[in-house]
Amino acid sequence: GEDVEQSLFLSVREGDSSVINCTYTDSSSTYLYWYKQEPGAGLQLLTYIFSNMDMKQDQRLTVLLNKKDKHLSLRIADTQTGDSAIYFCAEIFTGGGNKLTFGTGTQLKVEL
Amino acid sequence: EAQVTQNPRYLITVTGKKLTVTCSQNMNHEYMSWYRQDPGLGLRQIYYSMNVEVTDKGDVPEGYKVSRKEKRNFPLILESPSPNQTSLYFCATLDRAGANVLTFGAGSRLTVL
Repeated sequence: GEDVEQSLFLSVREGDSSVINCTYTDSSSTYLYWYKQEPGAGLQLLTYIFSNMDMKQDQRLTVLLNKKDKHLSLRIADTQTGDSAIYFCAEIFTGGGNKLTFGTGTQLKVEL
Repeated sequence: EAQVTQNPRYLITVTGKKLTVTCSQNMNHEYMSWYRQDPGLGLRQIYYSMNVEVTDKGDVPEGYKVSRKEKRNFPLILESPSPNQTSLYFCATLDRAGANVLTFGAGSRLTVL
């Protein structure tokens, strides 16, 4: 079956770059996603990348996709305290049901 | 404004007392889904619905029921809640046009004593 793995915690200093990593298993995924969950809130889509792309940049966010290694990363430049949240990567399983499989989530803590 | 609305947001109940968590969307999306979020386990899908009167089990359906009598509503039913169903629950809709983006409700925190 499909499986998505992430490290549970990351701590960075304000102004540094954060890199959150994710590995996935379904090589037929068409899209891969990063969702952000702030305390007490639901998940919100941060960005996504189509599987035929290697990189996508959106302001402070850079997504890198290595299909050979099934590795996805999210880089946040100039990390701010407002970036403190849980970040989930997800892949869509094309085997049926349009099911998104989520990783365990990485808690990002930004320290002053 | 595009919204997924869940109620209640917080609930404390006792073992065996039936409860329903409602979910309503205003985006006319066909696909709706329920997830539960537990520490260290991420989000796990409970049930999903591809359209009205079409529902299917997700990864962790045991102890839950759903119904989809109309497009906008997708209630989650716990017929006889147990403490292992204490969790944070999210309803979501999927926009299948384009990138298959999920829109989540704000979550319902359920505690079963």
